[in-house]
Amino acid sequence: SQKIEQNSEALNIQEGKTATLTCNYTNYSPAYLQWYRQDPGRGPVFLLLIRENEKEKRKERLKVTFDTTLKQSLFHITASQPADSATYLCALAGRGSTLGRLYFGRGTQLTVWP
Amino acid sequence: SQTIHQWPATLVQPVGSPLSLECTVEGTSNPNLYWYRQAAGRGLQLLFYSVGIGQISSEVPQNLSASRPQDRQFILSSKKLLLSDSGFYLCAWSVGRPNSPLHFGNGTRLTVT
Repeated sequence: SQKIEQNSEALNIQEGKTATLTCNYTNYSPAYLQWYRQDPGRGPVFLLLIRENEKEKRKERLKVTFDTTLKQSLFHITASQPADSATYLCALAGRGSTLGRLYFGRGTQLTVWP
Repeated sequence: SQTIHQWPATLVQPVGSPLSLECTVEGTSNPNLYWYRQAAGRGLQLLFYSVGIGQISSEVPQNLSASRPQDRQFILSSKKLLLSDSGFYLCAWSVGRPNSPLHFGNGTRLTVT
């Protein structure tokens, strides 16, 4: 069966450190992968998209890598701040008949403490 | 600019009662529309997906249904709610390109008692 696994349910780090979140998938061949941020009681907000032919994508303090051989994406937040505390979700896009549909992992809850 | 509206924000319904959740999008034409459910301790589960008026794809068999009576209106319904239908329901839209990001509403917290 198809699975999207995010490394841990919770990650606690100190302000200023780099947070690294992992997304692993099985039985998918995604054309692209997206990362979202979700705050409590709110809908997810899009952060970054990376395509299967891209190894790395950056946006300000955020960096995403995508390794289709390992079937893994890493999401990094450098110089983390308490305001980065939220749940981060990875999402995979389907192919063929499921093109355009996004399937989400359970998310990793990140807490950045001062 | 584009906006998405979902209502109600919270809802408490008894088992066996009907359900109707509405979602509307403004500022864009012919969006792809989605209904997701997020249950406690679980990820976002794709329920329905629509590429146009009257075109609905169901991802998971269940006692829920969806309809798209207008281009920018998406409705989630049930004739008889189950306890297991409790959760956080999210509507989202995207533009026509398959790799476009989703834009979510603020969700409806449904508690079935």
